[in-house]
Amino acid sequence: KAGVTQTPRYLIKTRGQQVTLSCSPISGHRSVSWYQQTPGQGLQFLFEYFSETQRNKGNFPGRFSGRQFSNSRSEMNVSTLELGDSALYLCASSLVTGSYEQYFGPGTRLTVT
Amino acid sequence: AQRVTQPEKLLSVFKGAPVELKCNYSYSGSPELFWYVQYSRQRLQLLLRHISRESIKGFTADLNKGETSFHLKKPFAQEEDSAMYYCALSGARGNQFYFGTGTSLTVIP
Repeated sequence: KAGVTQTPRYLIKTRGQQVTLSCSPISGHRSVSWYQQTPGQGLQFLFEYFSETQRNKGNFPGRFSGRQFSNSRSEMNVSTLELGDSALYLCASSLVTGSYEQYFGPGTRLTVT
Repeated sequence: AQRVTQPEKLLSVFKGAPVELKCNYSYSGSPELFWYVQYSRQRLQLLLRHISRESIKGFTADLNKGETSFHLKKPFAQEEDSAMYYCALSGARGNQFYFGTGTSLTVIP
């Protein structure tokens, strides 16, 4: 069974631009969660989608948004990028919402200049 | 407010020595506690959860509600234990996980 995949793996953007990151969960998994990982803050929960609906949301500004498609693939969008948005963005999939068994992807390394 | 604190960013121990990675949490309610591990060039993965009370790769962790701690312990460290360890908490809303900032463990041969 293929693992969680994330595209692109690396991205360089300029301050003020917007970016879209993609996550394909493990086949059969319907829940996708997104995290921001930085050296100073560790992993911070962004949001979780299940069956195309946002189920949980972390404490991030509205510039961070996401969606999930009917095939469970999820995208995360960040608008008006700031230097502080530079981070590794991880997604994790699980069979159902509320499951502790999350399987993480390799992450997308976003650098904002 | 929910918070997970890992006071040590870096921890080095000699092979064969006991190791303890500290984790303290604050949460109003009954949380589930977990330890995740990330080995070099590998993905983050679940190591163990407090509810299962099992030992994985020789590691155990006991939830101490009085001290609000969930320290990870292993009596004899091995070189392959070198990795980044994250303590995490899940609240009543299921998949909303709160992670600590992580502890990088290095086991010296």
